Amino acid sequence: DVKVTQSSRYLVKRTGEKVFLECVQDMDHENMFWYRQDPGLGLRLIYFSYDVKMKEKGDIPEGYSVSREKKERFSLILESASTNQTSMYLCASSPRPGSPLHFGNGTRLTVT
Amino acid sequence: ELKVEQNPLFLSMQEGKNYTIYCNYSTTSDRLYWYRQDPGKSLESLFVLLSNGAVKQEGRLMASLDTKARLSTLHITAAVHDLSATYFCAGSSNTGNQFYFGTGTSLTVIP
Repeated sequence: DVKVTQSSRYLVKRTGEKVFLECVQDMDHENMFWYRQDPGLGLRLIYFSYDVKMKEKGDIPEGYSVSREKKERFSLILESASTNQTSMYLCASSPRPGSPLHFGNGTRLTVT
Repeated sequence: ELKVEQNPLFLSMQEGKNYTIYCNYSTTSDRLYWYRQDPGKSLESLFVLLSNGAVKQEGRLMASLDTKARLSTLHITAAVHDLSATYFCAGSSNTGNQFYFGTGTSLTVIP
């Protein structure tokens, strides 16, 4: 079974802090994704990556950056956390374009 | 950008009853996906529908795709409590690299 592991389940940070969310997958998948999930808005794509060191903006990249130095690891960075970034963050991977996504368990981030 | 709309947003149904969740999408999508999310947990892939007229079934759930109407349905037959969850549909971009999700349907099955 594919395992997508997010480093933290819950995280509380202060406004202005730099925040790192880490995601690791163990199935050599090419594609990795970061979504945020908010009530009434569904899942919105922040960034995705289809190869090491490659990244593409999703629908809501503002205030975020990503890093993919190794194939199995995809990091989401909040450069200066703000309260409107309080959300559930979901990492996902897929082996190839069009394949269903495998999701991690999510990180619930609260910015105070 | 592909827009995906689901309805209803909330669904409360009695055990043993049948119901359908609808998923409309705005532009051509080669594939349509259904996911399930249990409370406090992550999303799990249920179905991938690849072409017009595609139908897939797993237990009490059956998904279908009509690309001409840009509509997918998730039909629940004889609901049981274990089906209580939030169900999401999603379409993909032409490249298959971006997925666009609906807002989800929160299903509660009442004994």
